[in-house]
Amino acid sequence: DAEITQSPRHKITETGRQVTLACHQTWNHNNMFWYRQDLGHGLRLIHYSYGVQDTNKGEVSDGYSVSRSNTEDLPLTLESAASSQTSVYFCASSTAGGETQYFGPGTRLLVL
Amino acid sequence: GNSVTQMEGPVTLSEEAFLTINCTYTATGYPSLFWYVQYPGEGLQLLLKATKADDKGSNKGFEATYRKETTSFHLEKGSVQVSDSAVYFCALIDLTGNQFYFGTGTSLTVIP
Repeated sequence: DAEITQSPRHKITETGRQVTLACHQTWNHNNMFWYRQDLGHGLRLIHYSYGVQDTNKGEVSDGYSVSRSNTEDLPLTLESAASSQTSVYFCASSTAGGETQYFGPGTRLLVL
Repeated sequence: GNSVTQMEGPVTLSEEAFLTINCTYTATGYPSLFWYVQYPGEGLQLLLKATKADDKGSNKGFEATYRKETTSFHLEKGSVQVSDSAVYFCALIDLTGNQFYFGTGTSLTVIP
């Protein structure tokens, strides 16, 4: 069965460290997204990609970067982790123009 | 711009009670509308959707009707169960069909 996975599921890091969160999908979807989920804010879009070599900034992109070298993966990098980036991160994917997003199980990140 | 507003939670109901979670939207044109559900410790999954005015989406006993005149998409269920305890997100997709806008989520707890 096709799926979307995230790793690690839990991560503790220190401020200033670089952190990379992995997202891998086997749906063969063109579109991939990264969101963060915080109490009182719901889901906020960080970055998104509509295909290989395509990346775009979302609502809360400062301090984050992504790269898309193949269809299956969209890793999210925190260049220098800050305590304000403590959150739950969700990856999602969809077909181009598709009306359903498929979500991964999430990564819980704690920045100390 | 596009945005979604949904009622603040948390909502606590007794089993078999009637559920309404309000959702209103602001959008360019007439986008498709969605309800996603997030069970504890999991990612979001599609609950139901409606693609045009007066459409009713339904799934697992939940319903929502796309009301263009009131720009609303309220979620209802006639008799909730303990297993319905989750966070519910209202969302719309922009006219490109590629980007979602989520509400802040409403937490529902159903007690026996």
